[in-house]
Amino acid sequence: EDQVTQSPEALRLQEGESSSLNCSYTVSGLRGLFWYRQDPGKGPEFLFTLYSAGEEKEKERLKATLTKKESFLHITAPKPEDSATYLCAVQAYTGANSKLTFGKGITLSVRP
Amino acid sequence: EPEVTQTPSHQVTQMGQEVILRCVPISNHLYFYWYRQILGQKVEFLVSFYNNEISEKSEIFDDQFSVERPDGSNFTLKIRSTKLEDSAMYFCASSEHLYSNQPQHFGDGTRLSIL
Repeated sequence: EDQVTQSPEALRLQEGESSSLNCSYTVSGLRGLFWYRQDPGKGPEFLFTLYSAGEEKEKERLKATLTKKESFLHITAPKPEDSATYLCAVQAYTGANSKLTFGKGITLSVRP
Repeated sequence: EPEVTQTPSHQVTQMGQEVILRCVPISNHLYFYWYRQILGQKVEFLVSFYNNEISEKSEIFDDQFSVERPDGSNFTLKIRSTKLEDSAMYFCASSEHLYSNQPQHFGDGTRLSIL
């Protein structure tokens, strides 16, 4: 069974204080690892897809990296508007399986 | 930017009643999904749908659930006889392709409250 574990559950940062969010996964062949952002009362908003170990993707203050067992979402000099819940999800390489398996998410609060 | 839209945003229903949740996927997308998120828990996969049939479903998606694409734009989730434990946020998603080279895009959800 595919599993995704995210840590820490919650993270409070001062504006400008860089940090990393962790996503550990076990999957029967990784087709893709996804990062989403979720604001309160909203649906997940797509950020990145990573396909293979060593891959990196960047968008503004966010950079996602991938190893064979985990992914990190690095936040550089965060701003209050980066406050949200960040979700990690995996898609397995198993036949026609296209479902996403999500972690519980990491709630990030950035204080001005 | 194209987006997935869901209606209603909040649905309150008596236990045992039928409920239909509606979604309009992004127009050129071919693959459609329903997920749910119980308060404080993970987003969970319910069902995927392609070419007018179910591609995959989870253990949650039992005989009380059904999906339909009644026309060229809408995608619906029906729960025949709702239970208290069906209270959750239900998200519709769509993707252009089946696999990860085209990600799934989510709507803002329908909050379903069963009384």
